[in-house]
Amino acid sequence: DAGVIQSPRHEVTEMGQEVTLRCKPISGHNSLFWYRQTMMRGLELLIYFNNNVPIDDSGMPEDRFSAKMPNASFSTLKIQPSEPRDSAVYFCASSLRQVRNQPQHFGDGTRLSIL
Amino acid sequence: AQSVTQPDIHITVSEGASLELRCNYSYGATPYLFWYVQSPGQGLQLLLKYFSGDTLVQGIKGFEAEFKRSQSSFNLRKPSVHWSDAAEYFCAVGGSSGTYKYIFGTGTRLKVLA
Repeated sequence: DAGVIQSPRHEVTEMGQEVTLRCKPISGHNSLFWYRQTMMRGLELLIYFNNNVPIDDSGMPEDRFSAKMPNASFSTLKIQPSEPRDSAVYFCASSLRQVRNQPQHFGDGTRLSIL
Repeated sequence: AQSVTQPDIHITVSEGASLELRCNYSYGATPYLFWYVQSPGQGLQLLLKYFSGDTLVQGIKGFEAEFKRSQSSFNLRKPSVHWSDAAEYFCAVGGSSGTYKYIFGTGTRLKVLA
């Protein structure tokens, strides 16, 4: 079975540019999570969707960050405008919410570098 | 406050030696506990999970973990480490009801000497 698929795997762009990260969750999963990982702050939850609806976006650092989930099989995380401090690895994870014993499954991440 | 503490930032062991990675948690309700492993350039892979029942849980790759409620601990163990186990290990606690957010520890980086 396909796992969580993220694209691109690597992104290098200049400060001020718009960045869009993409995620395809595991088929049938109805919860989706976006995380950011940095050396300084570790793994931080940015936003959590359930049934395509954002439930908790308290981790989104500022208005430059936005996330959408237009359907059950696709989500985006957008940064506009990007800044060097946004450089990090961004992970998407999905799980099956109705079944409590189901853990989160992670994608391989997008390594983002803002110059 | 809910938290997860992994006291060891780095651990070095020789190949074939036993391993124990520590994890302590603070959680007001019944916790769901997880261990994940992250190899360089990869995402987090689930090693094992604990929800209820037997406090000693078996996972993939020969790992096991023991839940000790009295000590608020969920330590990860492996009897004999292989060079391919070199990676970063994360402990996480999740809600048992109402919320599915995880709280992750800061990770323990394992180095294996040949």
